[in-house]
Amino acid sequence: GENVEQHPSTLSVQEGDSAVIKCTYSDSASNYFPWYKQELGKGPQLIIDIRSNVGEKKDQRIAVTLNKTAKHFSLHITETQPEDSAVYFCAAPPRTSGTYKYIFGTGTRLKVLA
Amino acid sequence: NAGVTQTPKFRILKIGQSMTLQCAQDMNHNYMYWYRQDPGMGLKLIYYSVGAGITDKGEVPNGYNVSRSTTEDFPLRLELAAPSQTSVYFCASSQPGQTYGYTFGSGTRLTVV
Repeated sequence: GENVEQHPSTLSVQEGDSAVIKCTYSDSASNYFPWYKQELGKGPQLIIDIRSNVGEKKDQRIAVTLNKTAKHFSLHITETQPEDSAVYFCAAPPRTSGTYKYIFGTGTRLKVLA
Repeated sequence: NAGVTQTPKFRILKIGQSMTLQCAQDMNHNYMYWYRQDPGMGLKLIYYSVGAGITDKGEVPNGYNVSRSTTEDFPLRLELAAPSQTSVYFCASSQPGQTYGYTFGSGTRLTVV
């Protein structure tokens, strides 16, 4: 079945260091791969996304890379700050096109230590 | 502020009770979704809708029902609450072609005792 594996499940980094979260998906009919950030007590919020016609996209301190041949994509956060502490989810499109029912990874809890 | 509004934020139900989780969006999005989030797990799709009058099952629909009479509202109904339905429920909306990413509500934390 459709599946998205996300690693690691928890990640602790020192403030100023970089953090990398990786996701692998089993199959996809579409080309849109979003990342969400969930702060404590809140709903997930879209922070960056990438389409499969590009291999990398950057927005200030966050970047996402996509390798569609290998079926994996990664979130990179540079110069981490305490406010980056949250749970991050990747999502991949379903195998069936046109339904937009994204499959979510199990989340990565990022802790940025001051 | 424009977005997805969920009510209530918290609820405790007894086994066998029923309730409706409310979800409303004011962005004129056609697509709406209900997910549940269990501790340490990702988001599992319960039901979704691609427009008013159209709903379909997701990955974990058993024990739930939905309706979509308007574009704005997408309520989720629990008929006979069970402890396995203890979870955090998120409603989301999107408009493919305009914004493929989801806009999520702030969630409803439900405990069934």
